[in-house]
Amino acid sequence: GEDVEQSLFLSVREGDSSVINCTYTDSSSTYLYWYKQEPGAGLQLLTYIFSNMDMKQDQRLTVLLNKKDKHLSLRIADTQTGDSAIYFCAQSEGNRDDKIIFGKGTRLHILP
Amino acid sequence: EPEVTQTPSHQVTQMGQEVILRCVPISNHLYFYWYRQILGQKVEFLVSFYNNEISEKSEIFDDQFSVERPDGSNFTLKIRSTKLEDSAMYFCASGPSRANTGELFFGEGSRLTVL
Repeated sequence: GEDVEQSLFLSVREGDSSVINCTYTDSSSTYLYWYKQEPGAGLQLLTYIFSNMDMKQDQRLTVLLNKKDKHLSLRIADTQTGDSAIYFCAQSEGNRDDKIIFGKGTRLHILP
Repeated sequence: EPEVTQTPSHQVTQMGQEVILRCVPISNHLYFYWYRQILGQKVEFLVSFYNNEISEKSEIFDDQFSVERPDGSNFTLKIRSTKLEDSAMYFCASGPSRANTGELFFGEGSRLTVL
């Protein structure tokens, strides 16, 4: 079945770039997403990329998609303490738009 | 800013008891979802709901689970006879359009602990 895998933890020094990686199995997904969950809050859509794109940039965020390797990454430039959160990689289930498949989430810890 | 609200934030129940988790989606949204996350595991899709009926459900969503939109605002998840393995964080989400544009708005979650 469909699966999304990502590492569970990442520690980054404040001011450095954070790169969170994800692999997925469903190559027919229309969209791939990054959601952010801050402590005590629900999941918030951070950004998404359409499957026919390789890259999407939005201010400090850069999303890279390698469809051949089924690899998605999120780069956060100039990481700030407010970026501490759990980041979930997710994909739509093929062309069935009623389901989003999530990974376990990567907890980003910012070192001073 | 409109948001999805969920109650209760935490519920503790005995195994075999019925539980109802409540959600108030964003008012003009049309698509409603329940997801759950067992501690340390992935956020798993349970069910989607549109036009007053279930549009998709996962294999987790067995006969013990049901959803309802009893009025114009609430969206509930009922677990008829809870099991220990139902302990999880349950997230409600709503969207103005179908999920594949990424426009899902999540509540803060209801933590269910089954003893």
